[in-house]
Amino acid sequence: DIQLTQSPSTLSASVGDRVTITCRASQSVSSWLAWYQQKSGKAPKLLIYKASSLESGVPSRFIGSGFGTEFTLTISSLQPDDFATYSCQQYNSYPWTFGPGTKVE
Amino acid sequence: QITLKESGPTLVKPTQTLTLTCSFSGFSLSTSGVGVGWIRQPPGKALEWLALIYWNDDKRYSPSLKSRLTITKDTSKNQVVLTMTNMDPVDTATYYCAHRPPLITVSRPFDSWGQGALVTVSS
Repeated sequence: DIQLTQSPSTLSASVGDRVTITCRASQSVSSWLAWYQQKSGKAPKLLIYKASSLESGVPSRFIGSGFGTEFTLTISSLQPDDFATYSCQQYNSYPWTFGPGTKVE
Repeated sequence: QITLKESGPTLVKPTQTLTLTCSFSGFSLSTSGVGVGWIRQPPGKALEWLALIYWNDDKRYSPSLKSRLTITKDTSKNQVVLTMTNMDPVDTATYYCAHRPPLITVSRPFDSWGQGALVTVSS
């Protein structure tokens, strides 16, 4: 199985801040990495797929980058609605796996 | 508009079998490339991918749970069913089903999710 790690596990930030979250894979997943946002008690929401492609309807302040084993999700200017947990997921090979999540507070 | 909804028991006893149904609308599981998956999340913990079934009945399972899981589809009813045998308290989690869109120009994972169903395993 491909293991995903995320850093940091928790991030304290303020509205307007530029926020960066890192996801690392135990082996290459090429570009087949997605990012989800999850709010408490709610289902995950797809933000980014194929490492850097923005899902329809997602604000352009969410920026994904990376290839192979290292990926980042950047929120260019944190908004009040962005306080949530962010998880990466690889879908390069089965079993698909998720990262442990990063809470932005 | 794609919608999915999980249904099933909220409480199961240890050793029992859990059966969860995902009822969906807005797409058909007979459309080439479409899939429906199951993901769970124990309270306060990370998401865990469980299984995925495709329009052509191709099935994929988490190796760590494969011996306990069965995923099936009923295309006429727009439903996908997940069964998990020999339930244990560590299986207490919110169980989600999700839509995998067909490959058109680029591969995307789960773009629509159900609201989730909390299943507690306790005697």
